[in-house]
Amino acid sequence: AQSVTQLDSHVSVSEGTPVLLRCNYSSSYSPSLFWYVQHPNKGLQLLLKYTSAATLVKGINGFEAEFKKSETSFHLTKPSAHMSDAAEYFCVVSDPGTDKLIFGTGTRLQVFP
Amino acid sequence: KAGVTQTPRYLIKTRGQQVTLSCSPISGHRSVSWYQQTPGQGLQFLFEYFSETQRNKGNFPGRFSGRQFSNSRSEMNVSTLELGDSALYLCASSRAGTGATDTQYFGPGTRLTVL
Repeated sequence: AQSVTQLDSHVSVSEGTPVLLRCNYSSSYSPSLFWYVQHPNKGLQLLLKYTSAATLVKGINGFEAEFKKSETSFHLTKPSAHMSDAAEYFCVVSDPGTDKLIFGTGTRLQVFP
Repeated sequence: KAGVTQTPRYLIKTRGQQVTLSCSPISGHRSVSWYQQTPGQGLQFLFEYFSETQRNKGNFPGRFSGRQFSNSRSEMNVSTLELGDSALYLCASSRAGTGATDTQYFGPGTRLTVL
C-alpha cells in the first residue's frame, strides 16, 4: 500500500531563512509524488509534481523537491522564506492501482518577521 | 479561466438531516473527485466521477453518495448526518485522469457543520 509520512507537524522559520519540510514515502511501485499547499480558508494548490522524470523538481513560488529513492524521501525546500509562505503543506502520493491521491497529515509552516 | 467552484461555502445542519453539495469543475475537465478534510483524519478520498460514472471510491459508508451530470458538474449527498460528518469537503477536477496521470485542481471547499 502507498503512504506518505510527514515528519514534522509544525515548522517555524524566520523570513529570509531556508525552508525544509520533510516527507518520506512508502510505495511498492515507482511512485508519483506531489506537494500541495493550503492557505487558510482556501483550497489546495499544486506546488510541484514528480513522475519519474528528473529527480529534482522545481515548483511554483521558488519551491523545489528532490526525489531520493535510496532514502524514500521527497523533501520540500525553499532557499528563502517569505511571509506569504505561511500555510499548511501536504505531501501526497498517487496510488497506481486506483490513481487516487493519498495525503500526508500536513505540516503547518509559520514564518516570523 | 474560471477555477473549480463549490456551493455553498458554508452549511449548518442538524443530526439526521441530509445535505447536498455542489461542484462545478474547470471548463473542459471531465473528472471530478471529492475529499473530506477533518482535523482528526486529515484528507481522505471519497469518490471520483468521470463521464457521469463513478470510477473510484474510498472507504466511506453508503450514506455518502455522489453523481455527475452530462456537463461534468457533480454533486455529493450525505444522508442521515452524524456529528462526525462535520468537515471541509473539497472537490477537485482534472481533464481526464487523477493522480499521476493528470493534475487535480481543487476548489475552496464547503465547510459543513453538523449540530
